[in-house]
Amino acid sequence: NAGVTQTPKFQVLKTGQSMTLQCAQDMNHNSMYWYRQDPGMGLRLIYYSASEGTTDKGEVPNGYNVSRLNKREFSLRLESAAPSQTSVYFCASSSTGDPSYEQYFGPGTRLTVT
Amino acid sequence: DAKTTQPTSMDCAEGRAANLPCNHSTISGNEYVYWYRQIHSQGPQYIIHGLKNNETNEMASLIITEDRKSSTLILPHATLRDTAVYYCIVRAIYGQNFVFGPGTRLSVLP
Repeated sequence: NAGVTQTPKFQVLKTGQSMTLQCAQDMNHNSMYWYRQDPGMGLRLIYYSASEGTTDKGEVPNGYNVSRLNKREFSLRLESAAPSQTSVYFCASSSTGDPSYEQYFGPGTRLTVT
Repeated sequence: DAKTTQPTSMDCAEGRAANLPCNHSTISGNEYVYWYRQIHSQGPQYIIHGLKNNETNEMASLIITEDRKSSTLILPHATLRDTAVYYCIVRAIYGQNFVFGPGTRLSVLP
């Protein structure tokens, strides 16, 4: 039982390049989330998927797209990377969107855009 | 989701109890109080949560005041491995968003 896994762990992009961050969970959770964390700050929600087949915007969705590929996988795509997207990206999952259920986080992807 | 206020940093001696306060004076009746921690830029780790009753698990205890306007996370016997940033979060029943503020940086000192 690996929990929440993320790939890659590190990535350097040039401005304008695109990439997809991958996230998978093996806990049979319905809800999945993408956050970003900038230095010295808390986490901010980018997008979430309450259940398979649905996605919704969070606090900071601009510049990102997501795909809930199946119940296990939730990917985050940067179509045209910008230096402002330099951050650590965390994926999380929870059994449901009910707040009585906690979220489990992956180890993060450290992205640098030059 | 209600806003929370936490001290920026705290120190605690190894082996002593660490008491981390959190103010959430605008909390609504349907909002849960959550505590997470983040060790050295790893993914946040769930600690405990509660609605209005005090809660205890193998990691910590959560004390919520009767008016629910504040809470305290207690690590009963802090170790060096408890050095981390601790986040207090309140989350509404229909809200999907965990709003992570800057948190409290706890340093456990030998």
